[in-house]
Amino acid sequence: EADIYQTPRYLVIGTGKKITLECSQTMGHDKMYWYQQDPGMELHLIHYSYGVNSTEKGDLSSESTVSRIRTEHFPLTLESARPSHTSQYLCASSEWTAEGHTGELFFGEGSRLTVL
Amino acid sequence: AQSVAQPEDQVNVAEGNPLTVKCTYSVSGNPYLFWYVQYPNRGLQFLLKYITGDNLVKGSYGFEAEFNKSQTSFHLKKPSALVSDSALYFCAVRDPTTDSWGKLQFGAGTQVVVTP
Repeated sequence: EADIYQTPRYLVIGTGKKITLECSQTMGHDKMYWYQQDPGMELHLIHYSYGVNSTEKGDLSSESTVSRIRTEHFPLTLESARPSHTSQYLCASSEWTAEGHTGELFFGEGSRLTVL
Repeated sequence: AQSVAQPEDQVNVAEGNPLTVKCTYSVSGNPYLFWYVQYPNRGLQFLLKYITGDNLVKGSYGFEAEFNKSQTSFHLKKPSALVSDSALYFCAVRDPTTDSWGKLQFGAGTQVVVTP
């Protein structure tokens, strides 16, 4: 089992609320990612980070923001949640190996967000 | 650009029969290829990967996959399926010649249903 944790696992909130999804990993990985998984089950990269104080937007535009102040922590924030933000959010991390970056990702259990 | 396709939304198989989940990819260079499995309300679990070397890759839970460069395929196989193999399976690709951040492109997923 990978040591990457997401909280909360489930969250139901009203429109307009600010929410933060937490993601922490204890593996010392430099690279971390947030994926959004829609009801059709496809995964879309919305944010990634290659180290402390570095964040980039992913392939799918998202109104969420992220921060990376510590290596182990990569929280995702929605300033004003809307029903269109209802989705599952998956956090992942990866490391560089002696062969370079082979790309294997370790995933958390996910945070399922429902905005009413 | 990298892309991956899983042509089947769902695969149905009887327990004890061989299981195959199809995946094709498109990259400009030599691909890194991955299979992940997702059980209900869980994150993704890594099954296996192809980086280089032997085209037949063996992974967790008795799964294997064969890299076929001429057909640009990386089909997942299991000789004898179990009911517990029922889950959502994702193929993913990374093109290391164009991506230095370890970002994976995921397929749409294939739901596997194994009946007793």
